[in-house]
This record gives sequence, C-alpha cells and structure tokens, in this order.
Amino acid sequence: DADVTQTPRNRITKTGKRIMLECSQTKGHDRMYWYRQDPGLGLRLIYYSFDVKDINKGEISDGYSVSRQAQAKFSLSLESAIPNQTALYFCATSRGGNYEQYFGPGTRLTVT
Amino acid sequence: SQKIEQNSEALNIQEGKTATLTCNYTNYSPAYLQWYRQDPGRGPVFLLLIRENEKEKRKERLKVTFDTTLKQSLFHITASQPADSATYLCALDILNSGYALNFGKGTSLLVTP
Repeated sequence: DADVTQTPRNRITKTGKRIMLECSQTKGHDRMYWYRQDPGLGLRLIYYSFDVKDINKGEISDGYSVSRQAQAKFSLSLESAIPNQTALYFCATSRGGNYEQYFGPGTRLTVT
Repeated sequence: SQKIEQNSEALNIQEGKTATLTCNYTNYSPAYLQWYRQDPGRGPVFLLLIRENEKEKRKERLKVTFDTTLKQSLFHITASQPADSATYLCALDILNSGYALNFGKGTSLLVTP
C-alpha cells in the first residue's frame, strides 16, 4: 500500500460547491503539507501543519482551509470552488528533523 | 521576495551523456537545498539533499553541487538513460517556516536513445 494516499484522485465540480480533498499517511510523520501545481507556475504551498495543533498558512492560502484530524490525516477544503482553483493538488509529509518530503499521487481537480 | 530559478527550456540530451541542470536562487540564505524528480501526473520524488556546508553530494549516477556564494546548485546525471527523462525540481526551505519548502518550476529533461 502507498505510504501517502489522496482521495479522490480526480474530481470535477461546479463553481460555488464545497469540496474536500483528503490525505492520509502511514509513514508516522508529524509534518504534513498541501501544494497545488499549475502549468508554468510550479508547486505552490497552500497550508502546512507540524502537528495536530499547529496549522500554518502558505503562499496561497486564500480560498482554502485545512483540518488536521489526526497525525495521519490532513484535509484541504475549498469552501466555494472557483474555476481558477482548477489544478493538481498534492499532499506531502515529512518527519521532524528530516527535511525531505514524501508526496502523494495527487488529486486532479477541475472546477467548471 | 525569495525566488528560485530553473531553466524553463527543456534539456534534450543523448543517452550516455551527462545532463546538467541549474538552480539559481535570490533572497535566500538556505541551510540546505533539495532536488526532486517528477514524472507527468505523479507526485515529486525526493532525490538528494545538500547542506550549506557541503560543496558536493553524490548518489549513484547523481551529483549535486551547492555554491552559496554564487547562490547556485548544479544537478548532474552521468551516463544518462531514457528512463531519466522527467522534470527535475529544486527546492529550498521557506524563510522562518522550519521545514516547509519553496519549489522551482522545474526543468524538463529528455534523454533520447
């Protein structure tokens, strides 16, 4: 089984809908991250969490919220989706004291 | 603001040759720099980390250099193979964020037989 899983893998939704992307990990890592990737813009950090009680905004947090339900679970919500949130979303994890990050397979989100 | 620049143009090389990718940065004093590989539609995969006090790091056919004076890292793949074709991302820690990363936009490498 994959160490970092994301659900759903693909999602098409309409403008104004609320949507949640979920990330789970079995690596036992304490740190989790959400990124989005757009062609020509690269990976950009949305939110990150260093433990269940610690949530931090990244470069592009507007329009998004997160919830760290447990050490192994980190969810990203779009309260009211808009077309420019169409992107590939990645969850990543890392272990405190180690800098390398481990990425999930991604969720391709399309907002029409 | 902190910026990471990687060659936006794709790099095409012949199998067996050495591929060299460049990562330049501004407004950083990074403690370390990382390189990742990303295949189309998949998540990035960690390759190498080099610390500010290291000049060079090697792993099998991969070599990374880190010049904090030039604010540049070079990523080399020796004896390149078609399977090395991918996008390679450079990443630096975000100022005052601990372990969160800023990524460059990546350089696409195509190795032809």
